[in-house]
Amino acid sequence: NAGVTQTPKFRVLKTGQSMTLLCAQDMNHEYMYWYRQDPGMGLRLIHYSVGEGTTAKGEVPDGYNVSRLKKQNFLLGLESAAPSQTSVYFCASSYWRQAITGELFFGEGSRLTVL
Amino acid sequence: KQEVTQIPAALSVPEGENLVLNCSFTDSAIYNLQWFRQDPGKGLTSLLLIQSSQREQTSGRLNASLDKSSGRSTLYIAASQPGDSATYLCAVLTQGGSEKLVFGKGTKLTVNP
Repeated sequence: NAGVTQTPKFRVLKTGQSMTLLCAQDMNHEYMYWYRQDPGMGLRLIHYSVGEGTTAKGEVPDGYNVSRLKKQNFLLGLESAAPSQTSVYFCASSYWRQAITGELFFGEGSRLTVL
Repeated sequence: KQEVTQIPAALSVPEGENLVLNCSFTDSAIYNLQWFRQDPGKGLTSLLLIQSSQREQTSGRLNASLDKSSGRSTLYIAASQPGDSATYLCAVLTQGGSEKLVFGKGTKLTVNP
């Protein structure tokens, strides 16, 4: 009964380092999303995917890259981390277009600190 | 650009009280509106989803209403309990373009025993 699993849950990076956040879902969902949550800003969409092999930019895509090589996994990469990327990152998934089914399932978040 | 506002930012009530959380949005061209609950250090859990053609949805002690023309939604919690303490977020799925879900900043609810 895993749902949406994010790894790692916590990470501290130095400015300029790179890292990858992994999101895995076991619900056979087509759509997957990466959000960041910052105090006073709410959740903002970084990138999303409408199916295996596809990716698209969200509201705040700069400084991030994503890949969806397998349907169940959605990776978020930071090539050169900056302090402005200190945030809590959430992955979410949905079976089909939110306009049709609506329901979104979230992971528990990955807290990233960039020094 | 769609903007979602939630008022108040924080609310503290005694156990047993009925309460209303408010959400407003600027663009009425929406597919649906969702209410989420977020516990400290956790992800979001979907509570209720209202399609644009609906007026309200109910789940247990929760009732969400939608007035699309005025750009408002309310989440009514009946007989509040300490376990209801959490941050409640509303999110609107706007039509057109990327069908982007826009979140409000949330209302932090504390229910005191």
